[in-house]
Amino acid sequence: NAGVTQTPKFRVLKTGQSMTLLCAQDMNHEYMYWYRQDPGMGLRLIHYSVGEGTTAKGEVPDGYNVSRLKKQNFLLGLESAAPSQTSVYFCASRRINRVENTEAFFGQGTRLTVV
Amino acid sequence: DQQVKQNSPSLSVQEGRISILNCDYTNSMFDYFLWYKKYPAEGPTFLISISSIKDKNEDGRFTVFLNKSAKHLSLHIVPSQPGDSAVYFCAARGYTGKLIFGQGTTLQVKP
Repeated sequence: NAGVTQTPKFRVLKTGQSMTLLCAQDMNHEYMYWYRQDPGMGLRLIHYSVGEGTTAKGEVPDGYNVSRLKKQNFLLGLESAAPSQTSVYFCASRRINRVENTEAFFGQGTRLTVV
Repeated sequence: DQQVKQNSPSLSVQEGRISILNCDYTNSMFDYFLWYKKYPAEGPTFLISISSIKDKNEDGRFTVFLNKSAKHLSLHIVPSQPGDSAVYFCAARGYTGKLIFGQGTTLQVKP
């Protein structure tokens, strides 16, 4: 009963390096999200996807790219990491809007430090 | 511009008393509002939700109230328990699928 799984759980990057965060869900959910959590800022939406092959920008998309090639996976990429991207990243998934009470399920988070 | 706002960063209440957490939103196109609870080093977990066509939803000790004219919702916890101590996030769901969260309120329930 995995739910939403994020890989890796921790990572330290040097400024300018690139990396990809992987989110996998086994609930056949249509919608997937990437958030970052920073002190005093809450959870801010980076990008989201309403279905396989589709992505859309959230509140803070700059410096990030995403891909949803398979329904169960949502990848978040940092092409050239900056210290301002030091954060805890959360992935979430949920069913489509037509179903009531479609709460989102979250992964355990990825703590990323850019030095 | 923040579409979902939680203006109180923290709240402290005595065990057994009522906790009231508040949330304001600016976009009238949200169709569902949700509350999440988060413990340190864990992902947020769903607590309770309310449709934009309702003004109240109750689940055990938790009640959410929605005032559409004021674009305001609140979460009431009665009675508060020490295990309720956590960060509470308000979230709003848009028709396009977007899910926007507020800044969070840290609740401390003292024994």
